[in-house]
Amino acid sequence: SQTIHQWPATLVQPVGSPLSLECTVEGTSNPNLYWYRQAAGRGLQLLFYSVGIGQISSEVPQNLSASRPQDRQFILSSKKLLLSDSGFYLCAWTGDGYGYTFGSGTRLTVV
Amino acid sequence: GQQVMQIPQYQHVQEGEDFTTYCNSSTTLSNIQWYKQRPGGHPVFLIQLVKSGEVKKQKRLTFQFGEAKKNSSLHITATQTTDVGTYFCADGTSYGKLTFGQGTILIVHP
Repeated sequence: SQTIHQWPATLVQPVGSPLSLECTVEGTSNPNLYWYRQAAGRGLQLLFYSVGIGQISSEVPQNLSASRPQDRQFILSSKKLLLSDSGFYLCAWTGDGYGYTFGSGTRLTVV
Repeated sequence: GQQVMQIPQYQHVQEGEDFTTYCNSSTTLSNIQWYKQRPGGHPVFLIQLVKSGEVKKQKRLTFQFGEAKKNSSLHITATQTTDVGTYFCADGTSYGKLTFGQGTILIVHP
């Protein structure tokens, strides 16, 4: 069966520090991968999505970047965090567009 | 891009009462998905609707897709405390990219 792993679960980082969040999927090949951010427990904003290795589409210009170095690995990064980067970051995958499976998320607090 | 508006933002109900959340779009949707997010958790996929006028049921949950494919609803009959959480609709018109509504937070009072 397919599983998605996302870590860490919580993170407190100072302003100006770098960020690296990792997401991996098991039990499937060539998944579509997504990074979403959820602020204040409400709507989910699509940040990046990827349909294959090295293929990244950015939805919102921001202080973040994403990479997909392997088929089942998706990484969200920042060189210098801003206070406004705080939020709940969720990785998700889908194989055929029928329903996303989300990871358990990372709660990032920038202080 | 495509936007889906979801109402209400919050809904307080007594346990046993019914609950409905609505999702509306100004343009035709190719499909709509529904998700549930428990407090402190991550969204979990519930269902996808594709056909005009489609109605699907999952136990006490009834999902509808409007005839014009511009609106959808989720109805819960006889709510239970386990139903608490945020319910999201999501527009799947753009292949592989979901646009989520703002969600409806359901609070069930025992």
